[in-house]
Amino acid sequence: DADVTQTPRNRITKTGKRIMLECSQTKGHDRMYWYRQDPGLGLRLIYYSFDVKDINKGEISDGYSVSRQAQAKFSLSLESAIPNQTALYFCATSETAGNTIYFGEGSWLTVV
Amino acid sequence: AQSVTQPDIHITVSEGASLELRCNYSYGATPYLFWYVQSPGQGLQLLLKYFSGDTLVQGIKGFEAEFKRSQSSFNLRKPSVHWSDAAEYFCAVGARSGGGADGLTFGKGTHLIIQP
Repeated sequence: DADVTQTPRNRITKTGKRIMLECSQTKGHDRMYWYRQDPGLGLRLIYYSFDVKDINKGEISDGYSVSRQAQAKFSLSLESAIPNQTALYFCATSETAGNTIYFGEGSWLTVV
Repeated sequence: AQSVTQPDIHITVSEGASLELRCNYSYGATPYLFWYVQSPGQGLQLLLKYFSGDTLVQGIKGFEAEFKRSQSSFNLRKPSVHWSDAAEYFCAVGARSGGGADGLTFGKGTHLIIQP
């Protein structure tokens, strides 16, 4: 089983709909992240969380929200999806600041 | 804030030839440095990382990278590429301090094509 699991792996949704991407990890790490990947732009940080009570905005947080339900669970929500949020989304974890980040397999989201 | 530049968007190499992928970073101190690989339809896999010590770092799949402080570079090398090395490669920099923005800053990636 994967250490970092994302669901769903693929989703097509309509403009204006609310969509949630879920992430769970078995690595026991405190730090969790959500990244977005767009062709030619690399990965950009959306939100990160140091622990259940500590959530921080990343580079591109507008239009997104997150919830850290437990140490092992970190979900990303698009309250009202728009087409330019079509992208590949990655959840990731790390043990400490600046340490190796371990990625999930990604969630393809298409907003039509 | 840190930044990463991967100057080459695409690189084409013949199978069996040597490879060097370039990475330059901007950071006020000695950073943590990483190379990740992403195969088509897959997540990101860590190839190697530099935290401190020996500036030549060995990774998985026969890759190595050399940290050159004077050039702010962390280039990835492989002496002989295989067709299975065709993928997207990302260089990333991480801040040593836990304060401020956390997580890694990624370059935009280099797409490696292997010619038979």
